[in-house]
Amino acid sequence: AQSVTQPDIHITVSEGASLELRCNYSYGATPYLFWYVQSPGQGLQLLLKYFSGDTLVQGIKGFEAEFKRSQSSFNLRKPSVHWSDAAEYFCAVKSNFGNEKLTFGTGTRLTIIP
Amino acid sequence: DTEVTQTPKHLVMGMTNKKSLKCEQHMGHRAMYWYKQKAKKPPELMFVYSYEKLSINESVPSRFSPECPNSSLLNLHLHALQPEDSALYLCASSPTGWEIGNTIYFGEGSWLTVV
Repeated sequence: AQSVTQPDIHITVSEGASLELRCNYSYGATPYLFWYVQSPGQGLQLLLKYFSGDTLVQGIKGFEAEFKRSQSSFNLRKPSVHWSDAAEYFCAVKSNFGNEKLTFGTGTRLTIIP
Repeated sequence: DTEVTQTPKHLVMGMTNKKSLKCEQHMGHRAMYWYKQKAKKPPELMFVYSYEKLSINESVPSRFSPECPNSSLLNLHLHALQPEDSALYLCASSPTGWEIGNTIYFGEGSWLTVV
Protein backbone atom coordinates (compact mmCIF):
# COMPACT_ATOMS: atom_id res chain seq x y z
CA ALA A 1 0.00 0.00 0.00
CA GLN A 2 1.17 3.50 -0.72
CA SER A 3 1.92 5.92 2.11
CA VAL A 4 3.35 9.38 2.63
CA THR A 5 5.29 10.79 5.56
CA GLN A 6 5.74 14.46 6.28
CA PRO A 7 8.06 14.48 9.28
CA ASP A 8 7.62 18.15 10.15
CA ILE A 9 4.26 19.02 11.70
CA HIS A 10 5.03 22.73 12.00
CA ILE A 11 7.77 24.91 10.53
CA THR A 12 8.41 28.61 11.21
CA VAL A 13 10.40 30.64 8.72
CA SER A 14 11.27 34.31 8.51
CA GLU A 15 9.92 36.23 5.55
CA GLY A 16 12.49 36.25 2.78
CA ALA A 17 14.23 33.13 4.02
CA SER A 18 14.42 29.90 2.07
CA LEU A 19 12.09 26.99 2.72
CA GLU A 20 12.25 23.24 2.40
CA LEU A 21 9.37 20.96 3.35
CA ARG A 22 10.12 17.27 3.53
CA CYS A 23 8.09 14.43 2.07
CA ASN A 24 8.92 10.73 1.96
CA TYR A 25 6.79 8.15 0.24
CA SER A 26 6.44 4.42 0.28
CA TYR A 27 5.41 2.75 -2.93
CA GLY A 28 6.55 -0.27 -4.93
CA ALA A 29 7.08 1.53 -8.21
CA THR A 30 7.50 5.09 -9.38
CA PRO A 31 4.49 6.91 -8.00
CA TYR A 32 2.76 10.06 -9.07
CA LEU A 33 3.60 12.76 -6.52
CA PHE A 34 1.85 16.00 -5.71
CA TRP A 35 2.13 18.98 -3.41
CA TYR A 36 -1.05 20.80 -2.43
CA VAL A 37 -1.43 23.95 -0.34
CA GLN A 38 -4.40 24.82 1.84
CA SER A 39 -4.87 28.30 3.23
CA PRO A 40 -7.02 28.63 6.36
CA GLY A 41 -10.66 27.95 5.60
CA GLN A 42 -9.95 27.14 1.97
CA GLY A 43 -9.82 24.12 -0.31
CA LEU A 44 -6.68 22.51 -1.66
CA GLN A 45 -4.71 24.13 -4.45
CA LEU A 46 -2.28 22.12 -6.56
CA LEU A 47 1.25 23.53 -6.36
CA LEU A 48 3.06 21.03 -8.56
CA LYS A 49 3.22 17.40 -9.61
CA TYR A 50 5.70 14.79 -10.73
CA PHE A 51 4.88 11.98 -13.13
CA SER A 52 8.10 11.22 -14.98
CA GLY A 53 11.06 12.84 -16.71
CA ASP A 54 12.99 15.73 -15.20
CA THR A 55 13.22 15.13 -11.47
CA LEU A 56 13.13 18.85 -10.66
CA VAL A 57 9.63 20.20 -11.22
CA GLN A 58 8.52 23.77 -11.14
CA GLY A 59 5.17 24.83 -9.75
CA ILE A 60 3.11 27.88 -9.12
CA LYS A 61 3.96 30.69 -6.69
CA GLY A 62 7.71 30.12 -7.11
CA PHE A 63 7.75 26.63 -5.61
CA GLU A 64 9.78 23.71 -6.89
CA ALA A 65 10.22 20.11 -5.81
CA GLU A 66 12.82 17.46 -6.48
CA PHE A 67 12.08 13.77 -6.86
CA LYS A 68 14.85 11.57 -5.48
CA ARG A 69 14.16 7.91 -6.10
CA SER A 70 17.12 6.71 -4.02
CA GLN A 71 15.75 8.53 -0.98
CA SER A 72 12.05 8.03 -1.74
CA SER A 73 11.65 11.74 -1.27
CA PHE A 74 9.84 14.61 -2.94
CA ASN A 75 10.82 17.72 -1.00
CA LEU A 76 9.25 21.10 -1.67
CA ARG A 77 11.42 24.21 -1.83
CA LYS A 78 11.12 27.94 -2.24
CA PRO A 79 14.12 30.29 -2.28
CA SER A 80 12.38 33.21 -0.57
CA VAL A 81 9.08 32.93 1.27
CA HIS A 82 6.41 35.60 1.44
CA TRP A 83 3.95 36.18 4.27
CA SER A 84 1.18 34.92 1.97
CA ASP A 85 2.85 31.48 1.90
CA ALA A 86 1.63 30.79 5.43
CA ALA A 87 -0.63 27.77 5.04
CA GLU A 88 -0.87 23.99 5.42
CA TYR A 89 1.09 21.98 2.88
CA PHE A 90 0.19 18.43 1.93
CA CYS A 91 2.30 15.96 0.02
CA ALA A 92 0.31 13.25 -1.75
CA VAL A 93 1.00 10.08 -3.71
CA LYS A 94 -1.06 8.27 -6.32
CA SER A 95 -0.41 4.92 -7.91
CA ASN A 96 0.43 4.63 -11.60
CA PHE A 97 -1.97 1.75 -12.22
CA GLY A 98 -5.06 3.85 -12.77
CA ASN A 99 -6.16 3.64 -9.14
CA GLU A 100 -7.95 6.88 -8.37
CA LYS A 101 -6.96 6.93 -4.71
CA LEU A 102 -4.81 9.86 -3.64
CA THR A 103 -3.02 9.28 -0.33
CA PHE A 104 -2.06 12.35 1.68
CA GLY A 105 0.64 12.95 4.22
CA THR A 106 -0.34 14.45 7.55
CA GLY A 107 0.58 17.93 6.44
CA THR A 108 3.09 20.59 7.47
CA ARG A 109 1.86 23.90 8.84
CA LEU A 110 4.02 26.80 7.71
CA THR A 111 4.18 29.97 9.79
CA ILE A 112 5.95 33.06 8.45
CA ILE A 113 7.39 35.61 10.85
CA PRO A 114 8.24 39.19 9.82
CA ASP B 1 -9.79 26.66 -16.13
CA THR B 2 -9.45 24.11 -13.32
CA GLU B 3 -12.51 25.03 -11.30
CA VAL B 4 -14.58 22.79 -9.09
CA THR B 5 -17.53 24.64 -7.58
CA GLN B 6 -19.15 23.56 -4.33
CA THR B 7 -22.36 24.78 -2.72
CA PRO B 8 -23.20 25.72 -0.08
CA LYS B 9 -19.98 27.03 1.45
CA HIS B 10 -21.43 26.68 4.94
CA LEU B 11 -24.23 24.44 6.19
CA VAL B 12 -25.63 24.01 9.68
CA MET B 13 -28.04 21.13 10.14
CA GLY B 14 -29.76 19.31 12.94
CA MET B 15 -29.35 15.61 13.50
CA THR B 16 -32.80 14.88 12.08
CA ASN B 17 -32.45 17.05 8.99
CA LYS B 18 -31.92 15.99 5.40
CA LYS B 19 -29.64 18.20 3.35
CA SER B 20 -27.39 17.94 0.31
CA LEU B 21 -23.99 19.20 -0.73
CA LYS B 22 -23.51 19.95 -4.40
CA CYS B 23 -20.46 19.95 -6.63
CA GLU B 24 -20.03 20.95 -10.26
CA GLN B 25 -17.17 20.92 -12.75
CA HIS B 26 -17.05 21.81 -16.43
CA MET B 27 -13.59 20.52 -17.25
CA GLY B 28 -14.83 17.35 -18.93
CA HIS B 29 -13.46 15.26 -16.10
CA ARG B 30 -15.01 11.81 -15.77
CA ALA B 31 -13.86 11.02 -12.22
CA MET B 32 -15.31 12.86 -9.24
CA TYR B 33 -14.60 12.50 -5.54
CA TRP B 34 -15.85 13.33 -2.09
CA TYR B 35 -13.31 13.84 0.69
CA LYS B 36 -13.89 14.63 4.35
CA GLN B 37 -11.43 16.76 6.27
CA LYS B 38 -11.42 17.28 10.02
CA ALA B 39 -9.52 20.17 11.59
CA LYS B 40 -5.74 19.85 11.43
CA LYS B 41 -5.98 16.55 9.53
CA PRO B 42 -5.42 15.60 5.90
CA PRO B 43 -8.41 14.92 3.65
CA GLU B 44 -9.85 11.40 3.82
CA LEU B 45 -11.38 9.81 0.76
CA MET B 46 -15.06 8.94 1.02
CA PHE B 47 -16.31 8.13 -2.48
CA VAL B 48 -15.09 8.02 -6.07
CA TYR B 49 -17.28 8.11 -9.15
CA SER B 50 -15.82 7.10 -12.47
CA TYR B 51 -17.96 7.59 -15.58
CA GLU B 52 -20.92 8.34 -13.32
CA LYS B 53 -20.64 5.00 -11.57
CA LEU B 54 -19.58 4.55 -7.98
CA SER B 55 -16.15 2.93 -8.08
CA ILE B 56 -14.87 3.42 -4.53
CA ASN B 57 -16.76 3.62 -1.24
CA GLU B 58 -14.35 3.83 1.68
CA SER B 59 -16.77 2.13 4.08
CA VAL B 60 -18.66 5.36 4.63
CA PRO B 61 -21.75 5.18 6.89
CA SER B 62 -25.05 5.02 5.02
CA ARG B 63 -26.13 8.38 6.44
CA PHE B 64 -23.93 9.76 3.64
CA SER B 65 -25.38 8.99 0.22
CA PRO B 66 -23.54 10.09 -2.92
CA GLU B 67 -25.18 10.69 -6.26
CA CYS B 68 -23.73 11.48 -9.67
CA PRO B 69 -26.61 12.66 -11.90
CA ASN B 70 -24.33 13.37 -14.86
CA SER B 71 -20.67 13.79 -15.69
CA SER B 72 -20.57 17.38 -14.40
CA LEU B 73 -22.47 17.06 -11.14
CA LEU B 74 -21.87 15.28 -7.88
CA ASN B 75 -24.11 15.42 -4.84
CA LEU B 76 -23.71 14.22 -1.29
CA HIS B 77 -27.01 13.61 0.48
CA LEU B 78 -26.92 13.89 4.24
CA HIS B 79 -29.42 12.36 6.65
CA ALA B 80 -29.43 11.69 10.37
CA LEU B 81 -25.89 12.94 10.82
CA GLN B 82 -24.02 13.04 14.10
CA PRO B 83 -22.11 15.97 15.60
CA GLU B 84 -18.85 14.15 14.86
CA ASP B 85 -19.68 14.41 11.16
CA SER B 86 -19.00 18.14 11.36
CA ALA B 87 -16.11 18.77 8.99
CA LEU B 88 -15.00 20.33 5.73
CA TYR B 89 -16.30 18.30 2.79
CA LEU B 90 -14.21 18.61 -0.31
CA CYS B 91 -15.27 17.73 -3.80
CA ALA B 92 -12.66 17.00 -6.44
CA SER B 93 -12.44 15.90 -10.04
CA SER B 94 -9.84 14.49 -12.40
CA PRO B 95 -9.57 13.44 -16.02
CA THR B 96 -10.73 9.94 -16.84
CA GLY B 97 -9.92 7.82 -13.85
CA TRP B 98 -7.81 5.31 -15.69
CA GLU B 99 -5.58 7.74 -17.55
CA ILE B 100 -2.03 7.58 -16.38
CA GLY B 101 -0.93 10.53 -14.33
CA ASN B 102 -4.23 12.31 -14.04
CA THR B 103 -4.31 15.15 -11.55
CA ILE B 104 -7.05 15.66 -8.97
CA TYR B 105 -8.41 19.19 -8.63
CA PHE B 106 -10.24 20.27 -5.50
CA GLY B 107 -13.05 22.68 -4.79
CA GLU B 108 -13.10 25.18 -1.94
CA GLY B 109 -15.13 22.86 0.22
CA SER B 110 -18.38 22.97 2.16
CA TRP B 111 -18.18 23.54 5.91
CA LEU B 112 -20.72 21.34 7.64
CA THR B 113 -21.78 21.79 11.25
CA VAL B 114 -24.15 19.24 12.78
CA VAL B 115 -25.97 20.46 15.89
